[in-house]
Amino acid sequence: GQNIDQPTEMTATEGAIVQINCTYQTSGFNGLFWYQQHAGEAPTFLSYNVLDGLEEKGRFSSFLSRSKGYSYLLLKELQMKDSASYLCAVMDSNYQLIWGAGTKLIIKP
Amino acid sequence: TAGITQAPTSQILAAGRSMTLRCTQDMRHNAMYWYRQDLGLGLRLIHYSNTAGTTGKGEVPDGYSVSRANTDDFPLTLASAVPSQTSVYFCASSDSSGGNEQFFGPGTRLTVL
Repeated sequence: GQNIDQPTEMTATEGAIVQINCTYQTSGFNGLFWYQQHAGEAPTFLSYNVLDGLEEKGRFSSFLSRSKGYSYLLLKELQMKDSASYLCAVMDSNYQLIWGAGTKLIIKP
Repeated sequence: TAGITQAPTSQILAAGRSMTLRCTQDMRHNAMYWYRQDLGLGLRLIHYSNTAGTTGKGEVPDGYSVSRANTDDFPLTLASAVPSQTSVYFCASSDSSGGNEQFFGPGTRLTVL
């Protein structure tokens, strides 16, 4: 079966750095996405990795290791507005997105 | 630009009744999707359409139907609602069915009693 695993909840301090991990087992791989979802709102796109390595975009970076079935999202200089759920999703061989349940990130002052 | 819109924002529906959730995008995207999001679960694909005139079944299609008469609109119909269809429904679109980001509508919160 297909499976995406990520922690249910994480807590971090404003100004700090947090790493959210995602492991996956899917039938085929056509890229990994990270989305941010604030409570009561729609998911919004953060990053896309299809090759191994680190992609940096401002305060957010995303890493992929295809051989390990592993990705992480790194958030630096945390701000209160970063409190949200972070969704990991893998595009399988049929070009369908398989979604993890999301990691709720709580930022404390 | 509006992007992608959904209607209604929320709805309470009696079990056994039918309902159509509306979704419209103005980005001229070829691919459109319907997901449901339930607490503790990831987004689950209900139906999708890679281009106008074609549709396909996702992970959880039972009890739902879709149509794609044109590029912009992708309505989702519940023929006879059941309480297990209580969920938040998101419509999304992407430029193609490949490795492109999906843009999401604001969602419809549906409660079936």
